[in-house]
Amino acid sequence: GAGVSQSPSNKVTEKGKDVELRCDPISGHTALYWYRQRLGQGLEFLIYFQGNSAPDKSGLPSDRFSAERTGESVSTLTIQRTQQEDSAVYLCASSLTSSGHTDTQYFGPGTRLTVL
Amino acid sequence: RKEVEQDPGPFNVPEGATVAFNCTYSNSASQSFFWYRQDCRKEPKLLMSVYSSGNEDGRFTAQLNRASQYISLLIRDSKLSDSATYLCVVNEGGNQFYFGTGTSLTVIP
Repeated sequence: GAGVSQSPSNKVTEKGKDVELRCDPISGHTALYWYRQRLGQGLEFLIYFQGNSAPDKSGLPSDRFSAERTGESVSTLTIQRTQQEDSAVYLCASSLTSSGHTDTQYFGPGTRLTVL
Repeated sequence: RKEVEQDPGPFNVPEGATVAFNCTYSNSASQSFFWYRQDCRKEPKLLMSVYSSGNEDGRFTAQLNRASQYISLLIRDSKLSDSATYLCVVNEGGNQFYFGTGTSLTVIP
């Protein structure tokens, strides 16, 4: 079946511009995560959605970052007034149920963001 | 202190060799543990979960040592296709999963 998809695959933008990244989770997966991976670094948790519950935004690095998800479908991560330090691969993952500590996370291919 | 720490390597081993990676975690209350594999410029993929009693999947063996707060991954009879970065992942029972920076493995012909 279809896996997690993300778009765009690559995004080059100028400092100060806003960008929007999209994630389509696996159908039926209630949990959705966003991560950031800087070059040569580990994955950094950004935000978690679980069904219709309030999202866990504790990993968002600044108020320039926001994310939305409608129900159990598509999610968008928005970065306003991008900075060069935002350059990274943004990965989305989904998992089947709410018992997050045991479920397998399936990752999308990521969006490679470059801020000039 | 980082939640999860790994030796970044690189580990360069010949085909057929056995190689082991360790990963330490800081929170003694951590509940779930995983090894993920990440190929160059690709997304991470689950390799195996790590259970308290240790578990094996073919050439791969994972173990958990709660007393010393580390998990290990052993790869036997290394194949060229095993070349990748191996990520240690820990969950403390909440929504966040903590990823290590990964250990790079290159299997040499």
